[in-house]
Amino acid sequence: DTGVSQDPRHKITKRGQNVTFRCDPISEHNRLYWYRQTLGQGPEFLTYFQNEAQLEKSRLLSDRFSAERPKGSFSTLEIQRTEQGDSAMYLCASSLETRHEQYFGPGTRLTVT
Amino acid sequence: GEDVEQSLFLSVREGDSSVINCTYTDSSSTYLYWYKQEPGAGLQLLTYIFSNMDMKQDQRLTVLLNKKDKHLSLRIADTQTGDSAIYFCAERGDSWGKLQFGAGTQVVVTP
Repeated sequence: DTGVSQDPRHKITKRGQNVTFRCDPISEHNRLYWYRQTLGQGPEFLTYFQNEAQLEKSRLLSDRFSAERPKGSFSTLEIQRTEQGDSAMYLCASSLETRHEQYFGPGTRLTVT
Repeated sequence: GEDVEQSLFLSVREGDSSVINCTYTDSSSTYLYWYKQEPGAGLQLLTYIFSNMDMKQDQRLTVLLNKKDKHLSLRIADTQTGDSAIYFCAERGDSWGKLQFGAGTQVVVTP
């Protein structure tokens, strides 16, 4: 039973560049969530999908952020024109629609220089 | 809006019990959770409690919920060095997606 996986684990980019992260949920989990965690804080909700439909987006998700889950399996989170304030850990979680527990991946740590 | 608060730091001696406290404001919370995060890692779901319960025990972990005071606690019995980590309290309200997390309590276990 594999857990949630995320790729890459670490990303260093220069300000103004675009980055894309991938999340593979636990097999058969039809709900997928993205959170952002900055140093010394708890995770903050960004968005979530049920199958391929994006059902909720946080106000934290500015126009530079876009998330997709085209086939209802893996998801990508893209940040365009990165800013230093985007430096954070980006966490992905998944769950079954019929269960409330969310299981988290190891995260992608983004550093914008 | 919703808010979850936790004390930031707890030091405990190996073998003693740890108690981590959390308060929340959303009275419509349905489930409350405890997650553990070790350095550089994601979050591990430790346990949860449904809002109509007041206690849940799972091996060394005991969760107490005082819904009237919106207070949640996690007790770890016989704390071990491997329990050193950051512990997050989280609540889930009416939305079936969003979890609201506290800032985390860093637990340091000393020999």
